[in-house]
Amino acid sequence: EIVLTQSPGTLSLSPGERVTLSCRASQSISGNSLAWYQQNPGQAPRLLIYGASSRATGIPDRFSGSGSGTDFSLTISRLEPEDFAVYYCHLSGSSPLTFGGGTKVEIK
Amino acid sequence: QVQLVQSGAEVKKPGASVTVSCKTSGYSFAGYYIHWVRQAPGQGLEWMGRIIPSSGGTAYAQKFQGRVTVTWDTSISSAYMELSSLRSDDTAVYFCAREFVDRTAMIEYYYNYYGMDVWGQGTTVTVSS
Repeated sequence: EIVLTQSPGTLSLSPGERVTLSCRASQSISGNSLAWYQQNPGQAPRLLIYGASSRATGIPDRFSGSGSGTDFSLTISRLEPEDFAVYYCHLSGSSPLTFGGGTKVEIK
Repeated sequence: QVQLVQSGAEVKKPGASVTVSCKTSGYSFAGYYIHWVRQAPGQGLEWMGRIIPSSGGTAYAQKFQGRVTVTWDTSISSAYMELSSLRSDDTAVYFCAREFVDRTAMIEYYYNYYGMDVWGQGTTVTVSS
C-alpha cells in the first residue's frame, strides 16, 4: 500500500507570503492520479488540483501543483486570509486510495 | 446544479450497522466514481471505498474489508455505504464525493483522474453505548 507523507504538519505564516507544501509517496505514482484538497473546519474538502498540476474549476491561479514520481508539491503564491486551512494530498487511481496526513496552514 | 445530498445523523450502539445514503442529481453518472471518505473528530481524511455506478464495480480500503459495503441504486441515482460491527472509533463524519475518471486508456495505470470535485454535506455517525 502506498503511503503519502505530507510535510510539514503545521505552518505559521502571514497573509501575502508564498508557501509550498510537500507530499511524498512511498513509491513512484502516476501524476495522473494525484490531487490536492483544502478543508476548513466543519466543511467538506474542496478540490484544488488534480492530475498533479491541473487547477480545478474556479480555483484561483495563485494555487499551483507540480511534481512527479514520488515528490509532489502545492504552492500558494500569495496567501489570502481565506487560504488558512488544512491541505491534503490524495492518491486516486487503482485501489487502495489514500490521503496524506494533512498540512495545516495557520495565521502567524 | 450538481448535488450530492446525504442522509441525516445517526447514533448507533457498538456492534450495530449503519447505512448512509448519498443522492446524486444534476449530472449523468456515466464516467463518474462515487467515493466514501470519513473523518474522525480532529483527525484527517480517510478513504473507505468507491463504486463505479455504470458497472457496479467496487473497491475498498483494506482496513474496512469485510465491514463496509458500497452499493448503487440506478433507479434513484443514489449510493449507499453500509458499515457493520460498529466500534466507538467509527465515530466520524462520513462524506460521499464524485470523481470523473477517463477510462479510455487500455491500462488502468493510464486512466486520468479528475479529483473529487463535488462532495456531500457529510453525515455524522456517533457510536456510543
